[in-house]
Amino acid sequence: DQQVKQNSPSLSVQEGRISILNCDYTNSMFDYFLWYKKYPAEGPTFLISISSIKDKNEDGRFTVFLNKSAKHLSLHIVPSQPGDSAVYFCAASAISGTYKYIFGTGTRLKVLA
Amino acid sequence: SQTIHQWPATLVQPVGSPLSLECTVEGTSNPNLYWYRQAAGRGLQLLFYSVGIGQISSEVPQNLSASRPQDRQFILSSKKLLLSDSGFYLCAWSVQFKETQYFGPGTRLLVL
Repeated sequence: DQQVKQNSPSLSVQEGRISILNCDYTNSMFDYFLWYKKYPAEGPTFLISISSIKDKNEDGRFTVFLNKSAKHLSLHIVPSQPGDSAVYFCAASAISGTYKYIFGTGTRLKVLA
Repeated sequence: SQTIHQWPATLVQPVGSPLSLECTVEGTSNPNLYWYRQAAGRGLQLLFYSVGIGQISSEVPQNLSASRPQDRQFILSSKKLLLSDSGFYLCAWSVQFKETQYFGPGTRLLVL
């Protein structure tokens, strides 16, 4: 059972436009969420996080929105740049102390110049 | 600043051979340590995590094992590799009781 789902395996966006990456989860106990960016043959790089006590967190071009009632979060990248082309993973955690995360399967973003 | 190292970067091993992947963290003490695997076309699957020396928790049944002989060293092992063990193995660390995990560069394992 996939508790964290990224239903779009790929997304193409024109440079300068907004990229919206979506993530759905099923476990209502999840209370902390992360987004990671991953280039081929490299480890994921942390991008941005959000706690369930918030519904929005912003860091430069990256904004994460959390809709707890819908069990849905999204990552907005504005404006999109060619260097943003990568695979993006969302991750969710419900266990304090150990901080075990459940990862989605990823969305490959391609930003077209 | 903290850094995390993994080696080797790439490994090709025959079926039935042993495995040892090493991960070390610098610049922090008593981190939580994690081993993940990313199989082709799939997400990251947590294999093991450790909150201290000698303390290992396994997430999925498999023929892999993990050990933490030192505070900042985490080792992933197998006595006999299977074809299905092929994948991209990632080590990660986090500060105790903090949320964000930081990943190493990964090891690509191909079992033939």
